[in-house]
Amino acid sequence: DAKTTQPTSMDCAEGRAANLPCNHSTISGNEYVYWYRQIHSQGPQYIIHGLKNNETNEMASLIITEDRKSSTLILPHATLRDTAVYYCIVCWFQGAQKLVFGQGTRLTINP
Amino acid sequence: EPEVTQTPSHQVTQMGQEVILRCVPISNHLYFYWYRQILGQKVEFLVSFYNNEISEKSEIFDDQFSVERPDGSNFTLKIRSTKLEDSAMYFCASSPGISGNTIYFGEGSWLTVV
Repeated sequence: DAKTTQPTSMDCAEGRAANLPCNHSTISGNEYVYWYRQIHSQGPQYIIHGLKNNETNEMASLIITEDRKSSTLILPHATLRDTAVYYCIVCWFQGAQKLVFGQGTRLTINP
Repeated sequence: EPEVTQTPSHQVTQMGQEVILRCVPISNHLYFYWYRQILGQKVEFLVSFYNNEISEKSEIFDDQFSVERPDGSNFTLKIRSTKLEDSAMYFCASSPGISGNTIYFGEGSWLTVV
């Protein structure tokens, strides 16, 4: 079973920041938080990952709480193309990984 | 940007037939994976492969399934004696394994068993 909890769906207006929460209260000390998204039935697309520090790349920002029990993915200026299912996954960083996908959050960006 | 490529994008096969799905992982990646997604359901892990052997497999990955890296670039999933319930999108993925281990997925092969 997935070790994360996410809202089933969210809406966001185009051009606004989309903030997607994730709870991972049972995360262990050496597990990372990964975010992927899936547009329609395409392959899951990697977005960002982090351990305990906040991270930012060209796609998004990841804010991890100090106790690491939750995190928020931020899409700073959402576009219609960001409409997708977003998955928050915790896993090891080394070796062969077995990503356990939950149901994710279906994010709809509205014009 | 390097990407995982998969062929075919869509295959229709009769029940009981054998299917081979092909993948070219990202060059220099060391870990290879197959996942599947039945329509409307979650993405599920099938198998991981490293150093020419299976490193982990799920309960789904029974004797009907096998994986192979026949040469230095291809990674294949063989499904013997296909069943209706094998109809799904199959995703190949790869990860570097050393300097960071983010998994990158291909666009998938849609298998329809009739």
